[in-house]
Amino acid sequence: DTAVSQTPKYLVTQMGNDKSIKCEQNLGHDTMYWYKQDSKKFLKIMFSYNNKELIINETVPNRFSPKSPDKAHLNLHINSLELGDSAVYFCASSQSENTEAFFGQGTRLTVV
Amino acid sequence: DAKTTQPPSMDCAEGRAANLPCNHSTISGNEYVYWYRQIHSQGPQYIIHGLKNNETNEMASLIITEDRKSSTLILPHATLRDTAVYYCIVRVEGAQKLVFGQGTRLTINP
Repeated sequence: DTAVSQTPKYLVTQMGNDKSIKCEQNLGHDTMYWYKQDSKKFLKIMFSYNNKELIINETVPNRFSPKSPDKAHLNLHINSLELGDSAVYFCASSQSENTEAFFGQGTRLTVV
Repeated sequence: DAKTTQPPSMDCAEGRAANLPCNHSTISGNEYVYWYRQIHSQGPQYIIHGLKNNETNEMASLIITEDRKSSTLILPHATLRDTAVYYCIVRVEGAQKLVFGQGTRLTINP
């Protein structure tokens, strides 16, 4: 029973394509996040949603559009993929902004 | 959020206590100290957090100095599965994001 699950785990695609990464949490949490880990292993927040509302957008290009159809899901859609988008993307959730975050296993995106 | 400083790498023998230091000299009164770890190819995993008092759970102990300018994460009986990058994060109460630094790469040796 995976608490935070992401699909797909691996994604290889060509430059210019549009792709989506899905995230679901079964913990009943109110807050969900997307983090990006680049090739140098730096983990950085991209977005935060609380009860389906966008709270944080950390100067992410508008080619990245998160969508939260309900509290349990936060999907990440990326348009016009670029080589520099290659990274591991982690979804996470927490009960509230004050509590610990639970992370998914990550989606390794490779743009060729 | 206050900045943290951690040694880039540490080694520890299996079965011994692993003590991971973190310096957060600019921490302010409403900032908590959080520890996460990332085992290779996995997502970060929450370990423990604290404000002023020392904390202990089933995974680790967190010792925070009285002036709160530094802390130590203690894994009492390290196993090979504890090999990971350990992140010390200072987080304002109510802040939604975690700001990860470079962390400490802990290697547990048999």
